[in-house]
Amino acid sequence: NAGVMQNPRHLVRRRGQEARLRCSPMKGHSHVYWYRQLPEEGLKFMVYLQKENIIDESGMPKERFSAEFPKEGPSILRIQQVVRGDSAAYFCASSQTTGFPYEQYFGPGTRLTVT
Amino acid sequence: KNEVEQSPQNLTAQEGEFITINCSYSVGISALHWLQQHPGGGIVSLFMLSSGKKKHGRLIATINIQEKHSSLHITASHPRDSAVYICAVEYNTDKLIFGTGTRLQVFP
Repeated sequence: NAGVMQNPRHLVRRRGQEARLRCSPMKGHSHVYWYRQLPEEGLKFMVYLQKENIIDESGMPKERFSAEFPKEGPSILRIQQVVRGDSAAYFCASSQTTGFPYEQYFGPGTRLTVT
Repeated sequence: KNEVEQSPQNLTAQEGEFITINCSYSVGISALHWLQQHPGGGIVSLFMLSSGKKKHGRLIATINIQEKHSSLHITASHPRDSAVYICAVEYNTDKLIFGTGTRLQVFP
């Protein structure tokens, strides 16, 4: 049973380009969470999704950031027109739907560098 | 003021020492998580607890709901335990609120 998969592990983008980060949850998990860790800072919640639904996006910046979790395929975190301040490690986690509170399993992260 | 406070921020120890990391939070929670992050690495979930105590190998986590406090203990510490240990709480909303982490270095 593979764990949470994220790709790419490292992503370099120039300012103004788009970044797409992918997250495949653990088998049987239908909840996905995205977190961001800025350099020398703690982790911060961004968005919580279930299949085809955004449940809580209170941590997402209002502009340029979007997330989806389609019926088929991985969850995608999309950052348009990246700026240097978007450089960070982006982690996703997944959980199953039974036995609240749900234990979250983390992926290895995607390290985004904006040049 | 951060909702989740950890102490100490940095901790150094000699191999074999008993280590305690503390976490305090401000309001009632549904669960508390302890996570481990190695430098440049991913995040591993160590414990999720909502009451009492859990043990896994040399790691022990306790929580006191009335005092809104949790501790993570490492017995017989080893250099491979060197990592950042993060406390996170959950408030019935599924999203986690994180502490700033405790950086542990264990020297041989």
